[in-house]
Amino acid sequence: AQSVAQPEDQVNVAEGNPLTVKCTYSVSGNPYLFWYVQYPNRGLQFLLKYITGDNLVKGSYGFEAEFNKSQTSFHLKKPSALVSDSALYFCAVRGFSGGYQKVTFGIGTKLQVIP
Amino acid sequence: DAGVTQSPTHLIKTRGQQVTLRCSPKSGHDTVSWYQQALGQGPQFIFQYYEEEERQRGNFPDRFSGHQFPNYSSELNVNALLLGDSALYLCASSPGSTTSSPLHFGNGTRLTVT
Repeated sequence: AQSVAQPEDQVNVAEGNPLTVKCTYSVSGNPYLFWYVQYPNRGLQFLLKYITGDNLVKGSYGFEAEFNKSQTSFHLKKPSALVSDSALYFCAVRGFSGGYQKVTFGIGTKLQVIP
Repeated sequence: DAGVTQSPTHLIKTRGQQVTLRCSPKSGHDTVSWYQQALGQGPQFIFQYYEEEERQRGNFPDRFSGHQFPNYSSELNVNALLLGDSALYLCASSPGSTTSSPLHFGNGTRLTVT
């Protein structure tokens, strides 16, 4: 069975500092990995994905993520945090079951950027 | 280009009642997935519809059922509502022909069961 772990319920960072939101995964086969962001009372918005290729992927709003196969991790990063980055962040992994794709999400990490 | 739309936005029901939630996928998308997001939790996969059939199902009881129409829109039905069914229900669409495309989410339906 596929799974995603986000070990931190909340991450606090000062505005202008770099941020990291951690994610580890478990899936059979090659992993397709995603990060989404959720603002209050809204659906999830896609930030970036890793399918294959370069281990450092760049996405929306200046976010990037580093894929590490040996550590089965896919940490979200940003060099300089903005107050507007404060939101709920979800890591997700896509796998297959019975020939059809299935996406599993982590529990989410609340990012608080302090002015 | 309209994204994923869900209706209604909010809904209040009483225990034991039945509810139907609706979803229109993003233009060009033929696969619809439903997720339940309880307060403080991540989205939990309910089921996925493709070509008008349920293709995948998560760990949800048979009280949860769905349907997909020829125009790819979808409904989620929940029977015999329980207090624990109170949650944000999210619909997500994707083009079924590629596995690298991200899911596109609607803003959800907030269901409150009293």
